[in-house]
Amino acid sequence: QVHLVESGGGVVQPGRPLRLSCSVSAFTFDTFAMHWVRQAPGKGLEWVAFISHDGTNTKYADSVKDRCTISRDISKNTLYLQMNDLTPDDTAVYYCVKSRAGDSFDSWGQGTLVTFSS
Amino acid sequence: SYVLTQPPSVSVAPGQTATIPCEGNNIGGKSVHWYQQKSGQAPVEVIFADTVRPSGIPDRFSGSNYVSSATLTISRVEAGDEADYYCQVWDTTSDHWVFGGGTKLTVL
Repeated sequence: QVHLVESGGGVVQPGRPLRLSCSVSAFTFDTFAMHWVRQAPGKGLEWVAFISHDGTNTKYADSVKDRCTISRDISKNTLYLQMNDLTPDDTAVYYCVKSRAGDSFDSWGQGTLVTFSS
Repeated sequence: SYVLTQPPSVSVAPGQTATIPCEGNNIGGKSVHWYQQKSGQAPVEVIFADTVRPSGIPDRFSGSNYVSSATLTISRVEAGDEADYYCQVWDTTSDHWVFGGGTKLTVL
């Protein structure tokens, strides 16, 4: 059973960076692409970032491009999302998501809540 | 950017069939995926590649995709199917993954 556990969320103040982590288990981490998807309170799902299976290719939503960096550490079976210059619009639950071989999302973590506070 | 449009809500009585549409420009040429999100929980994939059910998803869930609209169909609806449902595609033009706005399924 694929297991994805996010951590690192919390209350973030202006100008402070935040790094989210996602520890994975029960699958070969370096075989699958991964994503971050977020959901603002009471809103729908929004794709945030993608990283290829080997970490050589990344893509970002326009809303976070130039402010976020997705990365992965194969040796630690961990996915990361570095977030800078947070704004109130970044308040959301952030999900770590495993990519099916294709372009869908076949396994989701339980999410970690990031709250911007001024 | 590519837009997927879903109705905000659909209501159905227990035992009946629920259909949730997802519209997008030439969506029939894309691979459409569907997710179920129950209140307070993470989403779960219920259909991928237009029509394929992942392991463990009941055969009451089915999908179709024609030209301008994809559809998630839930047969013999149960109270436990009450949830938000999202369609999703990968847009080759923008190289981004796109979700529909979501449809809240209410079981009367």
